[in-house]
Amino acid sequence: QSVLTQPPSVSGAPGQRVTISCTGSSSNIGAGYDVEWYQQLPGTAPKLLIYGNGNRPSGVPHRFSGSKSGTSASLAITGLQADDEADYYCQSYDSSLSDSYVVFGGGTKLTVL
Amino acid sequence: QVQLQESGPGLLKPSETLSLTCTVSGGSISGYYWSWIRQPPGKGLQWIGYIYYSGSIKYNPSLKSRVTISVDTSKNQFSLKLSSVTAADTAIYYCARGYGDGMDVWGQGTTVTVSS
Repeated sequence: QSVLTQPPSVSGAPGQRVTISCTGSSSNIGAGYDVEWYQQLPGTAPKLLIYGNGNRPSGVPHRFSGSKSGTSASLAITGLQADDEADYYCQSYDSSLSDSYVVFGGGTKLTVL
Repeated sequence: QVQLQESGPGLLKPSETLSLTCTVSGGSISGYYWSWIRQPPGKGLQWIGYIYYSGSIKYNPSLKSRVTISVDTSKNQFSLKLSSVTAADTAIYYCARGYGDGMDVWGQGTTVTVSS
């Protein structure tokens, strides 16, 4: 199982707001490591959506926002659109072993109703 | 704009060594971290490791004993070798730019199947 825990699925109607949680522990998110978020549309490579907990790369709509608190992080999507239907992954860094390394959440499938 | 392209054999037999290359075009390999990530069929993402253009390396502890990542700055390429493959290594393999601050450029991915 994944080091970071995400709900397997979330859903929402067009125009609504949804949030996706990412729960970690004291060796990753709680240790102060940044959280990144990726969107993976069906059959395509992941795309960086949020970096450094809440920063959007150029070209990512303001509808997408990220936050972090304690050992958890969240991705919020407002004004839900049909083409937001995708898998979303959180990513951070873990130092439970001798050195830090990249860890991903198990992914959340967003369904737009 | 920077583009990444993975290349290598798509079918391997158990115990063989997986070898993939990622070619960087539209920009220099210098100054960045370069990662490999894989995704088994129908499953989530797993980070394999990264190499900095100067040669600094870090691997996923769960794969460390079988993984080698190298860089060839003269060819603007970096490579992945994974030894003693099994069916569990069947996945889409992605190369990507970045480590801290997220991985911001990804290749399209290449499917590797391990089967006897």
